[in-house]
Amino acid sequence: DAGVIQSPRHEVTEMGQEVTLRCKPISGHNSLFWYRQTMMRGLELLIYFNNNVPIDDSGMPEDRFSAKMPNASFSTLKIQPSEPRDSAVYFCASSLGGGAEAFFGQGTRLTVV
Amino acid sequence: EDQVTQSPEALRLQEGESSSLNCSYTVSGLRGLFWYRQDPGKGPEFLFTLYSAGEEKEKERLKATLTKKESFLHITAPKPEDSATYLCAPRGSQGNLIFGKGTKLSVKP
Repeated sequence: DAGVIQSPRHEVTEMGQEVTLRCKPISGHNSLFWYRQTMMRGLELLIYFNNNVPIDDSGMPEDRFSAKMPNASFSTLKIQPSEPRDSAVYFCASSLGGGAEAFFGQGTRLTVV
Repeated sequence: EDQVTQSPEALRLQEGESSSLNCSYTVSGLRGLFWYRQDPGKGPEFLFTLYSAGEEKEKERLKATLTKKESFLHITAPKPEDSATYLCAPRGSQGNLIFGKGTKLSVKP
């Protein structure tokens, strides 16, 4: 398996633009997580899906952030409109079941100027 | 509120100098504690899972242990290639991983 695949790897956008990050989890995994990593705050959970259903979105910063998982093999994280403080590395991870280890993608480095 | 604290924030060792990293946690409904290694520019890489107090796991020069409130990652005779940031992440009752800020380990030859 190729592991968790995220795209794009790098994204530079202007403030106010819409940004969409994409994730393909490991085949067969039924849990998917979106994290954001910054130097100041470390890894923060944004949202967690189980069987394509959002279970915990309490980490989503505000209404500008939205996430979807239309099927078991694809998820998106959208920011609209983007702001400079959204600049961070965004990671997607997937796991098999609620107690198993999560495997991470390589991340998307987002820069909002 | 679930909390995870890792110490020290940074650790510099000479090659061969053994040490331990600490992870203190307060998590309700703990469903395992996970250790990850993260290299610069990469995603966290899974190392260990511990599920109950007293459990130990080993992998090469690393050994992870777990108590009811803490986990330790012991590094024996480290090598420069062990340099990385080590993250601990208890898993809460809803299944989400709660990450500490990590310990940045540097091993000098």
